[in-house]
Amino acid sequence: DADVTQTPRNRITKTGKRIMLECSQTKGHDRMYWYRQDPGLGLRLIYYSFDVKDINKGEISDGYSVSRQAQAKFSLSLESAIPNQTALYFCATSDHQDYNEQFFGPGTRLTVL
Amino acid sequence: GQNIDQPTEMTATEGAIVQINCTYQTSGFNGLFWYQQHAGEAPTFLSYNVLDGLEEKGRFSSFLSRSKGYSYLLLKELQMKDSASYLCAVMDSNYQLIWGAGTKLIIKP
Repeated sequence: DADVTQTPRNRITKTGKRIMLECSQTKGHDRMYWYRQDPGLGLRLIYYSFDVKDINKGEISDGYSVSRQAQAKFSLSLESAIPNQTALYFCATSDHQDYNEQFFGPGTRLTVL
Repeated sequence: GQNIDQPTEMTATEGAIVQINCTYQTSGFNGLFWYQQHAGEAPTFLSYNVLDGLEEKGRFSSFLSRSKGYSYLLLKELQMKDSASYLCAVMDSNYQLIWGAGTKLIIKP
């Protein structure tokens, strides 16, 4: 079984809809991250969490929100999706005791029409 | 601002050696990572350098010079399966990873 899972893997939605992307991990890591990836650009950090009660904005948090429901779960919400949020979204985890090597989920391809 | 630069695309021949360069300017430095990403898939960890010098791991080696803000990834005995994007990332003073846009490596027979 995969250590970091994301649901859904693909989603097509319309402008203005609320969308939630979910991430679960069985690695026992304390740190979790949400990134988006666009063609020709590097991974960009949306939000990150170093523990259950810790939420931090990343480089591009506008239009997104997150919830860390448990150490193993970190969800990303788009309250009102817009077309420029069309991208590949990755969840990642790391352990602060292991030089923070990040382990990535398989990604969610989101299309906003 | 923070910046990671690496070539957009490189082409090499099966069996050959290729070097992918990465230069960086970041707020603080807590290590440099190289990841491999096949098209449509998740990035996977290749190497980590925090001290100057060369780290070797099988066919892949990574070099770091902190004074020059420079790293390279060296791939030897190239195989077709090495066709992928290679991502350079630096961990800054806040322990966040700053990512380059990636280098797409094309391997030709």
